[in-house]
Amino acid sequence: EPEVTQTPSHQVTQMGQEVILRCVPISNHLYFYWYRQILGQKVEFLVSFYNNEISEKSEIFDDQFSVERPDGSNFTLKIRSTKLEDSAMYFCASKETEEEKLFFGSGTQLSVL
Amino acid sequence: GESVGLHLPTLSVQEGDNSIINCAYSNSASDYFIWYKQESGKGPQFIIDIRSNMDKRQGQRVTVLLNKTVKHLSLQIAATQPGDSAVYFCAEKGSWGKLQFGAGTQVVVTP
Repeated sequence: EPEVTQTPSHQVTQMGQEVILRCVPISNHLYFYWYRQILGQKVEFLVSFYNNEISEKSEIFDDQFSVERPDGSNFTLKIRSTKLEDSAMYFCASKETEEEKLFFGSGTQLSVL
Repeated sequence: GESVGLHLPTLSVQEGDNSIINCAYSNSASDYFIWYKQESGKGPQFIIDIRSNMDKRQGQRVTVLLNKTVKHLSLQIAATQPGDSAVYFCAEKGSWGKLQFGAGTQVVVTP
């Protein structure tokens, strides 16, 4: 079964550093999302991306965050200057149409020291 | 504000028994709901979904019930197995297909 893949599985960085989290959505999918989950808490929406532009973003997704689909397969989340509170599991997700269920990757655990 | 939430943070169930996980939602305009299972260190995995024009949907060992009158959603797992131990999230679909997740219920299956 096709799956969403994310790299790296773990990322440790120093506060203030830039990180890029990478995702390869399922190939025929058109809608892309980033979510995050702080340890022990619920999964929170960050941003949705469709037709090469952000369609919606949450309050969490401030100017430090950006997303990009640089080619036909990758979908990246960049955090420009990481803060301690950015430590979380970040999930990429995709779907074929707006109506279909969302498929999640296995996540990148980001630790900001 | 509008939200999706779960009643019980932890559910302990004996192997072989049925499990029922409950979820309340507040947006009466929601037309699509979905249950995900999350095992430790993994991403959410789709279990079952339901549209608002239905009140029940069955899958393999799972059933989702939707009561729009009281804005309540439940997931029933038949003959719970050790592999069912996980956190279960309900979610509702919002704009642009995004999902708004509830807080999660930890299901612990005991032998």
